[in-house]
Amino acid sequence: AQSVTQLDSQVPVFEEAPVELRCNYSSSVSVYLFWYVQYPNQGLQLLLKYLSGSTLVKGINGFEAEFNKSQTSFHLRKPSVHISDTAEYFCAVSPQGGSEKLVFGKGTKLTVNP
Amino acid sequence: NAGVTQTPKFQVLKTGQSMTLQCAQDMNHNSMYWYRQDPGMGLRLIYYSASEGTTDKGEVPNGYNVSRLNKREFSLRLESAAPSQTSVYFCASTEVGRNTIYFGEGSWLTVV
Repeated sequence: AQSVTQLDSQVPVFEEAPVELRCNYSSSVSVYLFWYVQYPNQGLQLLLKYLSGSTLVKGINGFEAEFNKSQTSFHLRKPSVHISDTAEYFCAVSPQGGSEKLVFGKGTKLTVNP
Repeated sequence: NAGVTQTPKFQVLKTGQSMTLQCAQDMNHNSMYWYRQDPGMGLRLIYYSASEGTTDKGEVPNGYNVSRLNKREFSLRLESAAPSQTSVYFCASTEVGRNTIYFGEGSWLTVV
């Protein structure tokens, strides 16, 4: 079975500052990794995903994440955040070669202050 | 671009009442899911359907039933609602091998 730990439940930052949202996972098999974003009162939207290949993955809205197999981490970063990035971010994992059932972390609420 | 459509968006139930959440997708996806989202808990899988006519339990199936009516539709039924089922429910779908799950906009359910 897989599990996901998002190390910070809330992250407040100022506009134009860099941000890192941390995600660690546990799995006995190889996995695919995902970051989703949820804006208030909306569904989840895919930010980026790691399936294979380059460990640095670029997504929408200027976000990127780096897969680190030895540390079982998939941290999300953005060099300069905007007010509009205020949202909840979810890290998720699914086993390679299996069903697409995602296991989600508990979420990190990013608040960007002016 | 409808994508995944859920109804109703909001519902208040009394304890013991029953209701069905409807979900439909227009992307010709084989796999469909029902998740619930609770504060501080992330999303937890209730039920999953890999294809028409098949369903599988997820992490938190107790108190729920599902029907995969056809390829487009996947409904979630609460037979006897309990306050613990107060939550936001998300339907989702994906094409096998595409590794991208598409979510509906959610259904807010309150059980009093």
